[in-house]
Amino acid sequence: QVQLQESGPGLEKPSETLSLTCTVSGGSMTGYYWSWIRQPPGKGLEWIAYILYNGDTNYNPSLKGRVTISVDTSKNQFSLTLSSVTAADTAMYYCARHPPRDAPGPDAFDIWGQGAMVTVSS
Amino acid sequence: DIQMTQSPSTLSASVGDRVTITCRASQSIGSWLAWYQQKPGKAPKLLIYKASSLESGVPSRFSGSGSGTEFTLTISSLQPDDFATYYCQQYNNYSPVTFGGGTKVEIK
Repeated sequence: QVQLQESGPGLEKPSETLSLTCTVSGGSMTGYYWSWIRQPPGKGLEWIAYILYNGDTNYNPSLKGRVTISVDTSKNQFSLTLSSVTAADTAMYYCARHPPRDAPGPDAFDIWGQGAMVTVSS
Repeated sequence: DIQMTQSPSTLSASVGDRVTITCRASQSIGSWLAWYQQKPGKAPKLLIYKASSLESGVPSRFSGSGSGTEFTLTISSLQPDDFATYYCQQYNNYSPVTFGGGTKVEIK
């Protein structure tokens, strides 16, 4: 079955750029939307961005300007970069898949990675 | 952005209880609402999509209802494995994806 695995540094310094990669195994990326979601410790969930397998993107306006999402279907991976990080960006970062159902846009998230904890600290 | 408000934020219940969680949207989202269960240290798990459709493999004691701006998640008979935090999420294509603040279901 399809599995997602996040990878990247667990510690970033303030003002640096955070980079994470999600590797998709057990299936193809074609035909799906893919997202990044984050969760600060003890808090709720925040959607960051999604990308379609063909490269179409959409970003959370609250983070737009600092976030870039990209996809490499040849490697079965998609990635997130977040620039100018601060302590407020400390969170568990999840990648997730949207199944191709009948929603007019990306559907709910049906498969999630286990998450990657990123701490921003000097 | 569409704001999602869940209530209550915490709920104390016993095994066997019928539990209902409410989610309200700041504007109509049709039926584009999902419910997730999250346990400590784990990723969220999809329970319900399109307001009332049960995700494959999810026990039938979970059900969802509603449309427009008001939605509910019901657990018909609470089981020990159901003590967790539940989130609603809207996916109206004309607005950024947003989540409710979560409802923690605790043992009474």
